[in-house]
Amino acid sequence: QQPVQSPQAVILREGEDAVINCSSSKALYSVHWYRQKHGEAPVFLMILLKGGEQKGHEKISASFNEKKQQSSLYLTASQLSYSGTYFCGTELYNQGGKLIFGQGTELSVKP
Amino acid sequence: DAGVIQSPRHEVTEMGQEVTLRCKPISGHDYLFWYRQTMMRGLELLIYFNNNVPIDDSGMPEDRFSAKMPNASFSTLKIQPSEPRDSAVYFCASSYGVVGRDEQFFGPGTRLTVL
Repeated sequence: QQPVQSPQAVILREGEDAVINCSSSKALYSVHWYRQKHGEAPVFLMILLKGGEQKGHEKISASFNEKKQQSSLYLTASQLSYSGTYFCGTELYNQGGKLIFGQGTELSVKP
Repeated sequence: DAGVIQSPRHEVTEMGQEVTLRCKPISGHDYLFWYRQTMMRGLELLIYFNNNVPIDDSGMPEDRFSAKMPNASFSTLKIQPSEPRDSAVYFCASSYGVVGRDEQFFGPGTRLTVL
């Protein structure tokens, strides 16, 4: 049931763009995105709900394709501060809001 | 608000010993979650509470693990007896509103090492 994230790791130069994908084998009710810097706690980025509602930080962009059971996180004009591990958390139907997190995508932004 | 508070931040113990991890959620939050993070298994939900009542404990590994929330401002996760495979970072998180519809605020975590 764990969602699959791709790529596992990506290295960018400042200003470059990246897309991180999250796929599930089961129908999703919502997808949550978090970023974790080394040695720190995960920090909320965005929630994407069935039906198109989104909650999150204005500078973050993401999509949720319910039919394909996929979500993508778009990082544009990357900054050094974007470095970290990105996790998607998926909520299945009838799971009472319980999240199952993917293995993470490690993003490194270089000067 | 100080955010979610966890203690201790680091714990080193020997196999067979009892370990108690503590969490103080953000005031006013209805939900409290306990997660475990390891390289092998990633970030796993162990248990979560709503208004101090355990809702889903299906992620609790085995009977050696137990969690309580005696009041709205305090929760514990206990491991007895501890084993080396329990070594991990344990996060507590809290959220307000409908579970799954609002962000979770994570505490700094407790890094547990069982020798």
